[in-house]
Amino acid sequence: EADIYQTPRYLVIGTGKKITLECSQTMGHDKMYWYQQDPGMELHLIHYSYGVNSTEKGDLSSESTVSRIRTEHFPLTLESARPSHTSQYLCASSELEGQPQHFGDGTRLSIL
Amino acid sequence: SQQGEEDPQALSIQEGENATMNCSYKTSINNLQWYRQNSGRGLVHLILIRSNEREKHSGRLRVTLDTSKKSSSLLITASRAADTASYFCATDGNTDKLIFGTGTRLQVFP
Repeated sequence: EADIYQTPRYLVIGTGKKITLECSQTMGHDKMYWYQQDPGMELHLIHYSYGVNSTEKGDLSSESTVSRIRTEHFPLTLESARPSHTSQYLCASSELEGQPQHFGDGTRLSIL
Repeated sequence: SQQGEEDPQALSIQEGENATMNCSYKTSINNLQWYRQNSGRGLVHLILIRSNEREKHSGRLRVTLDTSKKSSSLLITASRAADTASYFCATDGNTDKLIFGTGTRLQVFP
């Protein structure tokens, strides 16, 4: 039962397009995260937020940007998509840092 | 820097058998968590064990933690085909953010 929702689930799009991946949660969590995961591989943190108007870059360098205008919404944007951005993007939230995270089902992104 | 490494990378067993996965990490931790990921889905939290705990149970899951060896193990008893998934450990390390291991892919054959 998902309390965190990601759209779209799949996206195939051409190089150079602007893309926004949506993530929303209904649990009122302040902490939200974006991870990048290649198939069968580990997760890499690319962005996180500790609350409204708070965003930080994660451990893995990413050309994407995020915003946190509302507690429940944490969209990720790629201004100009490239084939190297092809991956799965997972959004998560938690009540406190270091505590269990709730994940969405991800967006599988393919850039042609 | 990668905090957690798991072994084996892949494990295939028959239904009814037990599955054991191991996780090693590098820095001190406050807690260690295990997650499951079904193919094409997000991760689902299974169990959290604190640094001052040595063993924890949840249903058919048993987790152990040895902070002196910086290692943890996840045991799934009497496995079922529905347990087929990837399993990840995650630690908070020296930061307040989780760092995930490389994962173990478990295949349970009926």
